[in-house]
Amino acid sequence: EAAVTQSPRNKVTVTGGNVTLSCRQTNSHNYMYWYRQDTGHGLRLIHYSYGAGNLQIGDVPDGYKATRTTQEDFFLLLELASPSQTSLYFCASRDRGDTQYFGPGTRLLVL
Amino acid sequence: QQKVQQSPESLIVPEGGMASLNCTSSDRNVDYFWWYRQHSGKSPKMLMSIFSNGEKEEGRFTVHLNKASLHTSLHIRDSQPSDSALYLCAASKGSALGRLHFGAGTQLIVIP
Repeated sequence: EAAVTQSPRNKVTVTGGNVTLSCRQTNSHNYMYWYRQDTGHGLRLIHYSYGAGNLQIGDVPDGYKATRTTQEDFFLLLELASPSQTSLYFCASRDRGDTQYFGPGTRLLVL
Repeated sequence: QQKVQQSPESLIVPEGGMASLNCTSSDRNVDYFWWYRQHSGKSPKMLMSIFSNGEKEEGRFTVHLNKASLHTSLHIRDSQPSDSALYLCAASKGSALGRLHFGAGTQLIVIP
């Protein structure tokens, strides 16, 4: 099965702090995604990419930046974290059959 | 408002029973539907997908799709406690860069 890893698994920061969430996939998938999951909202797409250097805006991009440095690595940046960004963050990659494979998630708490 | 609506929000069924979950898209541009399952504390995993009108069966799981009403349903027969999970429905327009719009999910609890 496709492998997607995320780090850190848990993160606590303060309001106004900088946070970088990392995602790596070793499946040679072109597409990668960042989602946040909150109770009552399901998964909401923040940013996605279809290759190194490419970035596409998702449905809830405000307050987030992303960068795809290589085929394998996709980063999500919160430059001025706010309590409203407390959430469970998932990274995913997509195979040619359109199935998305999710990483284990990063739980972020902004105090 | 979410483009993908799921019902019920939660569902309790006895072991061995039938669980029926519903999902409707308000976006008429979508034509692919997905069901993902997420066990507590785990990441979502794709369970089934359906792109054509009709029915698709895989083991104890059956998915129906009515493209005219943009409604899909997931039915789990002979439900097991291990089926207890959050079931997420997602819709997309073809591959559309693989953008999925997820519903809020149905929390299924199967009681032994």
